[in-house]
Amino acid sequence: EGQLVESGGGLVQPGRSLRLSCAASGFTFEDYAMHWVRQAPGKGLEWVAGIFWNSNSIGYADFVRGRFTISRDNAKNSLYLQMNSLRAEDTALYYCVKDRGQQTAGLYYWGQGTVVTVSS
Amino acid sequence: EIVMTQSPTTLSVSPGERATVSCRASQSARGDVAWYQQKPGQAPRLLIYGTITRATGIPPRFSGSGFGTEFTLTISNLQSEDFAVYYCQQYNNWPLTFGGGTKVEIK
Repeated sequence: EGQLVESGGGLVQPGRSLRLSCAASGFTFEDYAMHWVRQAPGKGLEWVAGIFWNSNSIGYADFVRGRFTISRDNAKNSLYLQMNSLRAEDTALYYCVKDRGQQTAGLYYWGQGTVVTVSS
Repeated sequence: EIVMTQSPTTLSVSPGERATVSCRASQSARGDVAWYQQKPGQAPRLLIYGTITRATGIPPRFSGSGFGTEFTLTISNLQSEDFAVYYCQQYNNWPLTFGGGTKVEIK
C-alpha cells in the first residue's frame, strides 16, 4: 500500500492561496492515478480533483474548477493541490488518495489528511 | 455530473444481523461503483470496487451488487467493528462523486 503524507494545510484568510503537497513512498508512484478528497467537519466525503498516472487526464469537482489546480511530479513521488481564491466553505480535512489503477478504478489508499481552515 | 443518492441516512442494526445500504445513480455508472467504510477519527477504507469485488483484506461478510443506476452494499452477520459510516462512489467519469453516507449504528 505504501505511505502518503500530506502537508501544507493551515489557517488562511478568504481569497488567499495555499498549496498542499503529498509525499508518496513505498510504492511505484508513477503507476497510479492520484486524487484529493476533502471532508468538512462533521460532513461527508467530497472528491476534489484527480489526475491520471501520466497527467494526461485531469478532473475537478464543479465547486473548485477554475480555482484549484492538481499536479504531480513523478520524479519526486509527489502530488500537489494549488488552491486559489479560497472560501470559508473550503474549510476541510484534505486527503491525498492513491487509486487502484493508472486511471480511475477505486480510491484504494488514503493518507491521514491535512487540515485547511479558511477564516478571517 | 452523476449524483449518487444513498439510503437510508441512518440504519440501526443488532449485532449478528444483516445491514443493507442502497445507492442510486442519477445516470448509469455502469459497474464503476465503490464502497468505503469510515470510522470516527480515521481515514476511509476501500471495501468494494467494480460493484462486486472486495478489496484486499475485506471479509466475505461484505458484499456488493447492482449495475447501471442501482447498487447495494450488504453486510451480513454484523460485527462490533462494522458499526461505522459507509459511502458509495462512482468512478465511471469525472467528476467522481460520493453518496451522502449511511451511518450503521447499534440497535
